[in-house]
Amino acid sequence: AQTVTQSQPEMSVQEAETVTLSCTYDTSESDYYLFWYKQPPSRQMILVIRQEAYKQQNATENRFSVNFQKAAKSFSLKISDSQLGDAAMYFCAYYRRSGGSNYKLTFGKGTLLTVNP
Amino acid sequence: GAGVSQTPSNKVTEKGKYVELRCDPISGHTALYWYRQSLGQGPEFLIYFQGTGAADDSGLPNDRFFAVRPEGSVSTLKIQRTERGDSAVYLCASRAPGITGELFFGEGSRLTVL
Repeated sequence: AQTVTQSQPEMSVQEAETVTLSCTYDTSESDYYLFWYKQPPSRQMILVIRQEAYKQQNATENRFSVNFQKAAKSFSLKISDSQLGDAAMYFCAYYRRSGGSNYKLTFGKGTLLTVNP
Repeated sequence: GAGVSQTPSNKVTEKGKYVELRCDPISGHTALYWYRQSLGQGPEFLIYFQGTGAADDSGLPNDRFFAVRPEGSVSTLKIQRTERGDSAVYLCASRAPGITGELFFGEGSRLTVL
């Protein structure tokens, strides 16, 4: 079974600074997707960034980028120029891409990010 | 609709009662998921529908939990004989055809069992 581990229950960052959230995962598959979702107090999960396992290039979306280390099964999220609106719970998630019918998303326990003005 | 809609937003019930939670996915999304999120935890998978049928219900905790999607669109999660431990936010998500993986989530239904 796939597992996702987020070892940082809470993180804080000063506005305009950079912060990195950690995530590791365990899988025997070679083809999969990894995601970072953001959950503000409204409860709605919002996709931040996605990485396909077969791509060596790290994904970037504006101020958000990832460091994907496939051999180490590591997938960290870097937020640059942090803004007050970035404050939320962040979840790392694993999605199996190919084969079978088991297309579910497996989440970590989350990291609560606080942004200080 | 434009997004995934879940009703009710909040539900308070008494132990032993029956509860139904509704999810209206994004139009055209064939896959629908239910997750349960306890306080301070990540969402835990409950059940996944592909069309009208449950493709994977391995996350349902026991036989008090049941979900249906009779016409391949709206889904209802049903909980019988509710227990205090069922208190959580129940999230619904839908996915477009294909295997890009992105799930679109609703805002969830917060269930409180007294």
